[in-house]
Amino acid sequence: GAVVSQHPSRVICKSGTSVKIECRSLDFQATTMFWYRQFPKQSLMLMATSNEGSKATYEQGVEKDKFLINHASLTLSTLTVTSAHPEDSSFYICSAIRTGTSVGETQYFGPGTRLLVL
Amino acid sequence: DAKTTQPTSMDCAEGRAANLPCNHSTISGNEYVYWYRQIHSQGPQYIIHGLKNNETNEMASLIITEDRKSSTLILPHATLRDTAVYYCIVRATYNQGGKLIFGQGTELSVKP
Repeated sequence: GAVVSQHPSRVICKSGTSVKIECRSLDFQATTMFWYRQFPKQSLMLMATSNEGSKATYEQGVEKDKFLINHASLTLSTLTVTSAHPEDSSFYICSAIRTGTSVGETQYFGPGTRLLVL
Repeated sequence: DAKTTQPTSMDCAEGRAANLPCNHSTISGNEYVYWYRQIHSQGPQYIIHGLKNNETNEMASLIITEDRKSSTLILPHATLRDTAVYYCIVRATYNQGGKLIFGQGTELSVKP
């Protein structure tokens, strides 16, 4: 199968601090990873696309200076929420495209990270 | 990316087939139909995808109409563990600029 992991699974932090979330593809290489955010009772919202070795592409309305994304290797992307505030509390989910597969590539998701900012 | 329309919620009896419809009347020729599901407080799980032919795997079957304007996901023998929100998404491949954009999905409740 294609396994994507996230760390940590839950994090509680104080307002004003920064939090880093890791996303790893465990058994495949992923040149492209995605970050989503999901608020309670809502659908997933795409935040940004992360490409290995290049700058991330952010969706409209997502602050790139607040949500720092780094994709330093073919198996790891990180999302750092800088100066977190209570409104940043959410469920953050990453996904990865398994490269080298047939057309119509499949995107696999991690288990998510629940962030609570106090 | 083309938009999809799904019923907000559906019920299904345990052991029976669950048929989840999806309308995507504006789908383009290079867009695939993907189905994912999300069990509460977990990341979405890939189920199946197709372009124009019907597809089947160990989880489900995907039936796409000939004009590709709608599709149906079939869970042949639903269990309580299939209770989840099911998302139907159409998109081109990533290299063609496609992104996986989630709508509201169908909340499927499998009842004993």
